[in-house]
Amino acid sequence: EDQVTQSPEALRLQEGESSSLNCSYTVSGLRGLFWYRQDPGKGPEFLFTLYSAGEEKEKERLKATLTKKESFLHITAPKPEDSATYLCAVHTTGTASKLTFGTGTRLQVTL
Amino acid sequence: GAGVSQSPSNKVTEKGKDVELRCDPISGHTALYWYRQSLGQGLEFLIYFQGNSAPDKSGLPSDRFSAERTGGSVSTLTIQRTQQEDSAVYLCASSLTTKSTDTQYFGPGTRLTVL
Repeated sequence: EDQVTQSPEALRLQEGESSSLNCSYTVSGLRGLFWYRQDPGKGPEFLFTLYSAGEEKEKERLKATLTKKESFLHITAPKPEDSATYLCAVHTTGTASKLTFGTGTRLQVTL
Repeated sequence: GAGVSQSPSNKVTEKGKDVELRCDPISGHTALYWYRQSLGQGLEFLIYFQGNSAPDKSGLPSDRFSAERTGGSVSTLTIQRTQQEDSAVYLCASSLTTKSTDTQYFGPGTRLTVL
């Protein structure tokens, strides 16, 4: 059975304090790994898709990386508006077209 | 362009009642998905539709849950005889196709509360 585990569950950072969120996965065959951001009361907002180990993608203060077992979402010099829950999901050969999600990391960035 | 829309945004119902949740996907997207997000849980896949193919219902938790997609566009998720454990946020997503390279875009969700 495909599994996605995110850590930590919650993270509190001061503005400008860089850190990384982890998404580890055990799947039958990875077709794609997705990062989403979810604000309270809203649906997930797409950030990145990664397809193969070694791939990296960047957007503003966020950088996503992928290995054969895990993905990291690096946040450089975060701002309070980066506060949200970050969700990781996988699309695998064993799950047709559905995404399997982790439970997310709740990030709070304070002044 | 317009994103995925869902209605109602909130629904409060009594145990045993039936509810219908609606999803309008992004225009031109042939794939439509329903997920459920319970407190403290990850998003849980329920069902997806791809074009005119038979839907993948493998995630539906019981036969009280059903969904249909009319005209390849709007979808309705129906929960019959609601139970308190059905309380959750129901999220709809759409994508251009079901290929892994096609991003799933989510709507804002419907928060269902069963009293």
